[in-house]
Amino acid sequence: DARVTQTPRHKVTEMGQEVTMRCQPILGHNTVFWYRQTMMQGLELLAYFRNRAPLDDSGMPKDRFSAEMPDATLATLKIQPSEPRDSAVYFCASGLEGEKLFFGSGTQLSVL
Amino acid sequence: GNSVTQMEGPVTLSEEAFLTINCTYTATGYPSLFWYVQYPGEGLQLLLKATKADDKGSNKGFEATYRKETTSFHLEKGSVQVSDSAVYFCALRKASSARQLTFGSGTQLTVLP
Repeated sequence: DARVTQTPRHKVTEMGQEVTMRCQPILGHNTVFWYRQTMMQGLELLAYFRNRAPLDDSGMPKDRFSAEMPDATLATLKIQPSEPRDSAVYFCASGLEGEKLFFGSGTQLSVL
Repeated sequence: GNSVTQMEGPVTLSEEAFLTINCTYTATGYPSLFWYVQYPGEGLQLLLKATKADDKGSNKGFEATYRKETTSFHLEKGSVQVSDSAVYFCALRKASSARQLTFGSGTQLTVLP
């Protein structure tokens, strides 16, 4: 079965360090999403790409977060510098526009 | 704006019990409605969906009916199994925005043998 692959599965880092999370969307999907999941806020949309172009990143703190798709097989989410409040599970999802989303297993981030 | 409200969890049931997880929404127009399920340590998976009023989505014994008059999309299952233990998310997507899903806060379900 095709699936969305996220790496790393777990990341523990210290405050101030750069964190890079990677996502390989399902081949052929033209939309990619980044979500953040916390107990307090639930699932929050951070960024949305269509055909590799960023269309909506209004949910993302611009001063420290950045999302890119250098090619169709890779999406990245970077946090620099990281802060303890960034601790969460970060999910990548891909799909064909208007169709259901396929989620990766997430990156569990802990910022100490 | 759009929003989804789910019944608060956690919900604990015995095997073979009847399940209802309430979901109501606020949106303009005619959104599509979804239930996603998240098993421990995994990402979300689409469970079922309905795209217009009175549609019933169903999958794996779960059902939900799109009720426009009550702006609801309650999830039901007649007889739950231990393997149904997961977090369930109600979500909507506006017809005018074939992109973004708005999720509810999730409801943790635990089924005991």
